[in-house]
Amino acid sequence: NAGVTQTPKFRVLKTGQSMTLLCAQDMNHEYMYWYRQDPGMGLRLIHYSVGEGTTAKGEVPDGYNVSRLKKQNFLLGLESAAPSQTSVYFCASTDPFPGDEQFFGPGTRLTVL
Amino acid sequence: DAKTTQPNSMESNEEEPVHLPCNHSTISGTDYIHWYRQLPSQGPEYVIHGLTSNVNNRMASLAIAEDRKSSTLILHRATLRDAAVYYCILRVSHSGNTGKLIFGQGTTLQVKP
Repeated sequence: NAGVTQTPKFRVLKTGQSMTLLCAQDMNHEYMYWYRQDPGMGLRLIHYSVGEGTTAKGEVPDGYNVSRLKKQNFLLGLESAAPSQTSVYFCASTDPFPGDEQFFGPGTRLTVL
Repeated sequence: DAKTTQPNSMESNEEEPVHLPCNHSTISGTDYIHWYRQLPSQGPEYVIHGLTSNVNNRMASLAIAEDRKSSTLILHRATLRDAAVYYCILRVSHSGNTGKLIFGQGTTLQVKP
């Protein structure tokens, strides 16, 4: 099992450019999440999904869109990147039982110039 | 979402026990207490969770107060590899459970040789 994988690992964008981050999990989890982490801070939830075809907003959704067309994949899109979106992005997945652990990917380091 | 309070930082000596405290005075009866840790430049990883009773696993022990308003993560013998940020998080279990984890600042644990 690869667990949770994220593509790409690093990316540099110019202001106004767009990109999509891909998260894939091979554990057949129902729930998936996108977080961002700024230096010295804890993770903040951007968007999440409780099943294929469903998405919902988290704490800091502005400037991002997501899609969950397949159960194993969760895509995070930036339509017009801004320097404030420079951050490390983590994807995670889990199942619904409250005792279930979340499995995190290795992160994508994004810099917007 | 119920909130947790942790000290910003703690120090420990290698091979000594470490007790990491967490206050969660607004916890509801069905919230699970989860602990995650984040090693430098990595995504968070699950450590342990509990509901009412104390819990042990290969990584750590979790001691939960009788009134559930606080808990303590116990590392029995700290190693240099345990230096990380430790997050105490409440995961709700009522209907509409989305599995969301709300991260605070966590406790940065330094382990001295």
